[in-house]
Amino acid sequence: DGGITQSPKYLFRKEGQNVTLSCEQNLNHDAMYWYRQDPGQGLRLIYYSQIVNDFQKGDIAEGYSVSREKKESFPLTVTSAQKNPTAFYLCASSMWGARTEAFFGQGTRLTVV
Amino acid sequence: EDKVVQSPLSLVVHEGDTVTLNCSYEVTNFRSLLWYKQEKKAPTFLFMLTSSGIEKKSGRLSSILDKKELFSILNITATQTGDSAVYLCAVGGGAQKLVFGQGTRLTINP
Repeated sequence: DGGITQSPKYLFRKEGQNVTLSCEQNLNHDAMYWYRQDPGQGLRLIYYSQIVNDFQKGDIAEGYSVSREKKESFPLTVTSAQKNPTAFYLCASSMWGARTEAFFGQGTRLTVV
Repeated sequence: EDKVVQSPLSLVVHEGDTVTLNCSYEVTNFRSLLWYKQEKKAPTFLFMLTSSGIEKKSGRLSSILDKKELFSILNITATQTGDSAVYLCAVGGGAQKLVFGQGTRLTINP
């Protein structure tokens, strides 16, 4: 089945640790996105990528890093520099050109303990 | 800076009522406006609007875009408890960027 797979669904991290969230898509989409959602809030853009080996910062990129070595994969690393990382993280992808819908993964809930 | 603002942030109505959700935007190089429904985890796509004045309709849901006044509305008629969700508005602008609003949390009471 075509779609976007995020893993893990739940992740616990100790303060000071880096963690990496996985996002894989088999939709042959060019663009991929990472969003953060806090309780009762909308989605805020962390990073996005239009093509392989290229990505841009979104509105809240500080404390996060990404890579796009393959078209299918766009992992997000939450570094120890991110002061308040506990949140729900959503990955999305879309075809090239903004007149297409974005498809979402099921999300990863990250909790700092 | 690109901005998408939704209102109201929260809405509680009775089953059978009609609701109107609003989305206004300020985005560089507007290309499309999208509506999503989020119940538990992944938002699911409802509509994409690119042209002013053309209503998109799916069952009891409909939406329209006004590119002159920079807003869109999402209407839900004869609401049901299954319509309870967070409704998200997103705008596609320059550089393939998709910017979301804060969402409207809709609660339908039986």
